[in-house]
Amino acid sequence: GENVEQHPSTLSVQEGDSAVIKCTYSDSASNYFPWYKQELGKRPQLIIDIRSNVGEKKDQRIAVTLNKTAKHFSLHITETQPEDSAVYFCAASILGNQFYFGTGTSLTVIP
Amino acid sequence: DAGITQSPRHKVTETGTPVTLRCHQTENHRYMYWYRQDPGHGLRLIHYSYGVKDTDKGEVSDGYSVSRSKTEDFLLTLESATSSQTSVYFCATQDGPGQRYEQYFGPGTRLTVT
Repeated sequence: GENVEQHPSTLSVQEGDSAVIKCTYSDSASNYFPWYKQELGKRPQLIIDIRSNVGEKKDQRIAVTLNKTAKHFSLHITETQPEDSAVYFCAASILGNQFYFGTGTSLTVIP
Repeated sequence: DAGITQSPRHKVTETGTPVTLRCHQTENHRYMYWYRQDPGHGLRLIHYSYGVKDTDKGEVSDGYSVSRSKTEDFLLTLESATSSQTSVYFCATQDGPGQRYEQYFGPGTRLTVT
């Protein structure tokens, strides 16, 4: 099956700086890549996703980039704020079928 | 968020006892999923359903069974709970692959097996 690796496992940034989280996947057939944010004790919430027919997608301060050749995708958060502190998960899927998740990145934004 | 609920939200049980977790959705989504979340492992798929009475195994299905008798309810059963099944369990729903790909999660159930 698919194997998704996520790095780093922990990340600390100063408020206002940018944060980047990277994921790689193994199955070249994967074509849907969502990112979830999970605050402590809460459910994972979808924050952005990208399909393989585009290379980049933005939504205000967050963006996702996809490199199909290298089989990796990244989450970019600009102008970080304390409320961005959470665990972020990437996932890969073929046509929305079975999701394979990364192991998560704990992001801390230091005020 | 209000469209997906899980019950119970917390449960402590003893090794060897059966446990059933319930997921209820009002989204009329066709697909439903059960995941477990453990430190260092992210979210791992246990079982999923692609319609009433239609279910299939995920990557960590051993020791678990599921049932779906109605579109809105998906039950996860641990036939004989073990300590290794101590985890946080999340249900998710999806309109359906090939349509809308997004999965939406319930609030989770924290299960402790002593």
